[in-house]
Amino acid sequence: GQQLNQSPQSMFIQEGEDVSMNCTSSSIFNTWLWYKQDPGEGPVLLIALYKAGELTSNGRLTAQFGITRKDSFLNISASIPSDVGIYFCALFKAAGNKLTFGGGTRVLVKP
Amino acid sequence: GAVVSQHPSWVICKSGTSVKIECRSLDFQATTMFWYRQFPKQSLMLMATSNEGSKATYEQGVEKDKFLINHASLTLSTLTVTSAHPEDSSFYICSASPDRGLLRGEKLFFGSGTQLSVL
Repeated sequence: GQQLNQSPQSMFIQEGEDVSMNCTSSSIFNTWLWYKQDPGEGPVLLIALYKAGELTSNGRLTAQFGITRKDSFLNISASIPSDVGIYFCALFKAAGNKLTFGGGTRVLVKP
Repeated sequence: GAVVSQHPSWVICKSGTSVKIECRSLDFQATTMFWYRQFPKQSLMLMATSNEGSKATYEQGVEKDKFLINHASLTLSTLTVTSAHPEDSSFYICSASPDRGLLRGEKLFFGSGTQLSVL
């Protein structure tokens, strides 16, 4: 089945740092979505990518759809405490419009 | 943006009882709804897809007789966990879209989830 690998699994951030996370798939897809989930809440869409090579920003967030259409990354610049949460990449499987999520990257604040 | 309301936000029940979770689209007609389950520190796993007026399509390994899904109207889908057991304790999340065809991320809206704890 579809393999969607997200890394890192977790990371610690210090306020002001830039952070990066990425996803790779075993197959080619036409859509990459990035979500953030806060504790006890549903995921919220951050950025949607639909074209290979596409680079899109949403405030301090930037995401790119890889040229090979098998990967994507999400960058957060100048992180702030409210960036803490779980970030998921996701893909639509063409058949049935099923949204498949990556394993998530848990962003935590450095003690 | 569009709003999907999920109720209750948390529920505790005794083993063997049934629990119903509601998912409502408040400002659009939800042609397609999805139900996900999320165990602690894990990702969201799709359980089933439902189109209004049709039977739900369940993912492999999800028991349709245990997780009853009803999507009888364009604004409401319900998930009933029948004869719940402690291993069914999880965070259940619905999502809804006004579209039936090829979906876009901007047209898929998530509820805030329901934490089910089975004692």
